[in-house]
Amino acid sequence: DQQVKQNSPSLSVQEGRISILNCDYTNSMFDYFLWYKKYPAEGPTFLISISSIKDKNEDGRFTVFLNKSAKHLSLHIVPSQPGDSAVYFCAASPEGGNEKLTFGTGTRLTIIP
Amino acid sequence: DAGVIQSPRHEVTEMGQEVTLRCKPISGHNSLFWYRQTMMRGLELLIYFNNNVPIDDSGMPEDRFSAKMPNASFSTLKIQPSEPRDSAVYFCASRHRAPGQPQHFGDGTRLSIL
Repeated sequence: DQQVKQNSPSLSVQEGRISILNCDYTNSMFDYFLWYKKYPAEGPTFLISISSIKDKNEDGRFTVFLNKSAKHLSLHIVPSQPGDSAVYFCAASPEGGNEKLTFGTGTRLTIIP
Repeated sequence: DAGVIQSPRHEVTEMGQEVTLRCKPISGHNSLFWYRQTMMRGLELLIYFNNNVPIDDSGMPEDRFSAKMPNASFSTLKIQPSEPRDSAVYFCASRHRAPGQPQHFGDGTRLSIL
């Protein structure tokens, strides 16, 4: 029973264009959402988060959108850069305390120069 | 700043042996998490501690797995006896419990049980 789903295993985007990564969840108790980025042989690195009381959060080139009614969130990266090539994980927490995280399976993003 | 430090980075051992994975959290962080990443199940939380006390170990797969946090700067995850299906990458993460603070991950231990 996968409570956090990333249905696209991979995505290729040209440098300078927008990258959009999607995530769906099924558990209505989730109220805090995060995106992590992972390079090979390294641990996940925190990118950006959003609380369920908001529908958008922006940090530089990264914006996360949350649609609670659809149980859907997305990460927008604009403009995309070669260094953005990595695996991106969506995660959710039911407590707002950022503790018991449930992760999606990840989307491998490749930025084409 | 020193991040979360895990050791060893790689471990290869034979089935039935005891395996001990180690983690040093970021100084000042008061929550610590152990995760396992496999192809089949992805990244899943095994156990987490707040102020050195285990809070939720519902993700620990079996009694063969145990975790301890004897002080604020050290934690271990032990598997005894180990089995081939325990082969995975094990991550440790820590965070400060202030609101909105994210978990910071170590670079993981790649464990192979032959």
